[in-house]
Amino acid sequence: KQEVTQIPAALSVPEGENLVLNCSFTDSAIYNLQWFRQDPGKGLTSLLLIQSSQREQTSGRLNASLDKSSGRSTLYIAASQPGDSATYLCAVGDTSGTYKYIFGTGTRLKVLA
Amino acid sequence: ETGVTQSPTHLIKTRGQQVTLRCSSQSGHNTVSWYQQALGQGPQFIFQYYREEENGRGNFPPRFSGLQFPNYSSELNVNALELDDSALYLCASGAPGYEQYFGPGTRLTVT
Repeated sequence: KQEVTQIPAALSVPEGENLVLNCSFTDSAIYNLQWFRQDPGKGLTSLLLIQSSQREQTSGRLNASLDKSSGRSTLYIAASQPGDSATYLCAVGDTSGTYKYIFGTGTRLKVLA
Repeated sequence: ETGVTQSPTHLIKTRGQQVTLRCSSQSGHNTVSWYQQALGQGPQFIFQYYREEENGRGNFPPRFSGLQFPNYSSELNVNALELDDSALYLCASGAPGYEQYFGPGTRLTVT
């Protein structure tokens, strides 16, 4: 059974710092991995999607990497800003049975001005 | 904007009542999935519909049911509401194996 873990659960950094969020999964047989941002009480905003055949994706200050063999993905945020404060969720596209996402519990990020 | 809409935005119900949540998927997306997100948790898969038939279910009881219509809209119905059903309910559309597009969610509070 696929399990997704995100570490740390919460993170507080000063503005301008580069940071890395971690996501690990137990079964390397995945379709893809998607990173989301969630503001308090709101829905999910897609940040980056990495297909299983890819190693990384970049969008602006964000870079996500995928290492299927070790069951790990990282989301790198460069030059963090207070507007980056949110919860970041990773979701793994599960291949067992119905295609669905298995989510981690998220990393709650606070960027201090 | 993902092109996926949900209604209502917020809902308050009493324990034992029934509720219907609605989702309108992107045109052309014939697969819709529903997720439940309890406070402080990641979303949990409820079920998926493909071409108007249930195509898979997570660990949720039968009182959670759904419908999908030919016009890319769908419903999530929950009977005999319990306090633990209080959560954000998200629908997502997208072809299996590809990017999933999530709606803004419906916040359900059961008192």
